[in-house]
Amino acid sequence: NAGVTQTPKFRVLKTGQSMTLLCAQDMNHEYMYWYRQDPGMGLRLIHYSVGEGTTAKGEVPDGYNVSRLKKQNFLLGLESAAPSQTSVYFCASSPLAITSRGGELFFGEGSRLTVL
Amino acid sequence: AQSVTQLDSQVPVFEEAPVELRCNYSSSVSVYLFWYVQYPNQGLQLLLKYLSGSTLVKGINGFEAEFNKSQTSFHLRKPSVHISDTAEYFCAVSLGYSSASKIIFGSGTRLSIRP
Repeated sequence: NAGVTQTPKFRVLKTGQSMTLLCAQDMNHEYMYWYRQDPGMGLRLIHYSVGEGTTAKGEVPDGYNVSRLKKQNFLLGLESAAPSQTSVYFCASSPLAITSRGGELFFGEGSRLTVL
Repeated sequence: AQSVTQLDSQVPVFEEAPVELRCNYSSSVSVYLFWYVQYPNQGLQLLLKYLSGSTLVKGINGFEAEFNKSQTSFHLRKPSVHISDTAEYFCAVSLGYSSASKIIFGSGTRLSIRP
């Protein structure tokens, strides 16, 4: 009963280091998303994917890259981490377009990243 | 541009008391509306959603919400809260046309239940 799994759950980086967050879903969902959550700001969309091999920018894409080589995986990369990227990152997936068909988002448990 | 406003950042209530969490949105087109709940150290999960039809929507754990188009509101209510309802609640809105990215979350309301 895994659903959406994120790894790692915690990570501390120094400014300028790079890292990749992995999101895996076992529900055969087409759509996948990366959000960041900051106090008092709700969730903001970083990047999203509407299917294998596709990616698109969300609301706050700068400083991040993504890839979706396999349908079940969605990777979020930070090439050169900055303190402003300290946040909790959530991956989500959806079987339907969340707008045109009102699809529900299924979230992972989050990855807490601190950049010193 | 669409936006979502959750008027209260924190709502403290006593156990077994009723609660209302307020959400207002702005959009010039038809929308879908959602409430998500986030328990401590967990991801978000769907409480309920309004797509069309009856304006009163019932969700999990005894919560319900009413869509009011004239007031552009989608307030969440529960007649009697329990300690286990302690969580952060997010209102979200998406536009009713095809665009996978267009879902906006409010800033969240932290519900704390006092015994």
